[in-house]
Amino acid sequence: GESVGLHLPTLSVQEGDNSIINCAYSNSASDYFIWYKQESGKGPQFIIDIRSNMDKRQGQRVTVLLNKTVKHLSLQIAATQPGDSAVYFCAEISPNQAGTALIFGKGTTLSVSS
Amino acid sequence: EAGVTQSPTHLIKTRGQQATLRCSPISGHTSVYWYQQALGLGLQFLLWYDEGEERNRGNFPPRFSGRQFPNYSSELNVNALELEDSALYLCASSLAVLAGASETQYFGPGTRLLVL
Repeated sequence: GESVGLHLPTLSVQEGDNSIINCAYSNSASDYFIWYKQESGKGPQFIIDIRSNMDKRQGQRVTVLLNKTVKHLSLQIAATQPGDSAVYFCAEISPNQAGTALIFGKGTTLSVSS
Repeated sequence: EAGVTQSPTHLIKTRGQQATLRCSPISGHTSVYWYQQALGLGLQFLLWYDEGEERNRGNFPPRFSGRQFPNYSSELNVNALELEDSALYLCASSLAVLAGASETQYFGPGTRLLVL
């Protein structure tokens, strides 16, 4: 699999490899984090979420890791498939008196070749 | 269960005109959010409606406005359109947001607005 230590705008992997997409979030008060997948011409699709009282959460073929010490979030995709090709965004929510707007990261474009 | 729906899918307007975009949330969701996704700028928060009230707005001028209807559907209105308003406008919905809590937001397919 391919791993990236810092946020990169693009990630290219071979089908079957594991992918790791990283995200640095901005607000230490954020308590809820979501990964979205956005395919071309479509709206963001929910993948997995994690709350700040956890450091790891697993879904089907995906795992999210949260490191609050360095404000870092990662998405791991196991056995990446061509259908996983999309732009992946992390989003954080910082609850405050005014409301709960999602703050999105810059996005990473994942390209999977077969 | 139907997801968030938006209409129209595409909208072409000329500078100075007004645009109206519509959103229907997932059944049972009372909060509706609007985001703008302009090319190269990522997703930017526009507005949040809950129980018919505007709860929060992002850093956008007042010509961006909207409302939420009793059935929780929502409209986004953009007045005096400018070329820079060309973007994908995304609507999301969530369950009711309780004080101190955060809820997952689910997105619709978006309305692509082109201002000529």
